[in-house]
Amino acid sequence: AQKVTQAQTEISVVEKEDVTLDCVYETRDTTYYLFWYKQPPSGELVFLIRRNSFDEQNEISGRYSWNFQKSTSSFNFTITASQVVDSAVYFCALSEALFMDSSYKLIFGSGTRLLVRP
Amino acid sequence: DADVTQTPRNRITKTGKRIMLECSQTKGHDRMYWYRQDPGLGLQLIYYSFDVKDINKGEISDGYSVSRQAQAKFSLSLESAIPNQTALYFCATSDFFVTSPGELFFGEGSRLTVL
Repeated sequence: AQKVTQAQTEISVVEKEDVTLDCVYETRDTTYYLFWYKQPPSGELVFLIRRNSFDEQNEISGRYSWNFQKSTSSFNFTITASQVVDSAVYFCALSEALFMDSSYKLIFGSGTRLLVRP
Repeated sequence: DADVTQTPRNRITKTGKRIMLECSQTKGHDRMYWYRQDPGLGLQLIYYSFDVKDINKGEISDGYSVSRQAQAKFSLSLESAIPNQTALYFCATSDFFVTSPGELFFGEGSRLTVL
């Protein structure tokens, strides 16, 4: 069965520290997609990134970077020089193929709460 | 205005009452979803719909029903609410791509408390 594990329930860092959020997944699909979403204290869910299983290149967007390693079934998220505004719950998600017509649904991990202290 | 709007944003109800959460979207997406968020459990899929005549159960559909009244509207009902349905509920939409899943666009959430 498809599964996403975010083993870190809560992380606390001091501003300007780098922090990595771990995501490990299990899937039976040969083609799949991985996502990260951010949920700030206001409660909404914000899309951060989508990565397909054929693209193992690391991605960088400003202070955010993602490391996808198929060999270890991991899709880790690093925030460099963290800021107080990065405080949020971060969810990793995995696509699950539903039908042969390429329909999918998303399976979410339980989330990691990041607290960045001034 | 938000692209995905949920009403009500907060509701307190009593055990046994019927409650409906409504979702409307202006993104023009065919695909709509209802998720439930509980602390420490992430988001779990309740129901999803890929078009107006399509309804599918998710991981935790027991105790819930849905109605897709139009492309833009997808409502979630609790016929007889119970306290363990106290949670934060999210509606989401996505576009359809032939070869990949689109990102989900979420509403702001509806916090339901069942006493």
